[in-house]
Amino acid sequence: EAGVVQSPRYKIIEKKQPVAFWCNPISGHNTLYWYLQNLGQGPELLIRYENEEAVDDSQLPKDRFSAERLKGVDSTLKIQPAELGDSAVYLCASSFGTSEETQYFGPGTRLLVL
Amino acid sequence: GQQLNQSPQSMFIQEGEDVSMNCTSSSIFNTWLWYKQDPGEGPVLLIALYKAGELTSNGRLTAQFGITRKDSFLNISASIPSDVGIYFCAGHSFGNEKLTFGTGTRLTIIP
Repeated sequence: EAGVVQSPRYKIIEKKQPVAFWCNPISGHNTLYWYLQNLGQGPELLIRYENEEAVDDSQLPKDRFSAERLKGVDSTLKIQPAELGDSAVYLCASSFGTSEETQYFGPGTRLLVL
Repeated sequence: GQQLNQSPQSMFIQEGEDVSMNCTSSSIFNTWLWYKQDPGEGPVLLIALYKAGELTSNGRLTAQFGITRKDSFLNISASIPSDVGIYFCAGHSFGNEKLTFGTGTRLTIIP
């Protein structure tokens, strides 16, 4: 069974440029999560989807971050414009149902903003 | 955002040694989880704990759910090179549908 797929794996951009990350969850998993992981820290939730509905986006900086999960499968996280402080790893995870404890993580996208 | 306190922050051990690490929280959790993250990869779930006082093993790994519900412990026996990585605890409480992660313990094995 394929795991959570994320692309790109690495991205280097200049500040003020837009950037987008893509996630394909495990087949059949209706809950999808985007996490931010700063260097030396644990993951922090940005947004959680149940099917196509964003049920928790309280930690998403909505002035520059946006996300969508059309058709309740793949998801895209966008930053526009990127700032230097956005350099981090962006992790996607998915789970079957709403059980928080059975999350499976993707490899992440490492973003460097210059 | 809130992060749980993990101790120690890093460990340098020799192969074959046992390892102990812990995680503490200011709030009560109903579920404690332990993840391992290898360089360039996402966290992988090692052990899940669902009841205060519960002791659960997964091979050479043993984890315990603290009686107070505010802490958890992970032990690794007879460490091997593939144990190298960062270990994260995470807690979940009913009514707050999100995982709160710890700050991580980095394990290094000295040749």
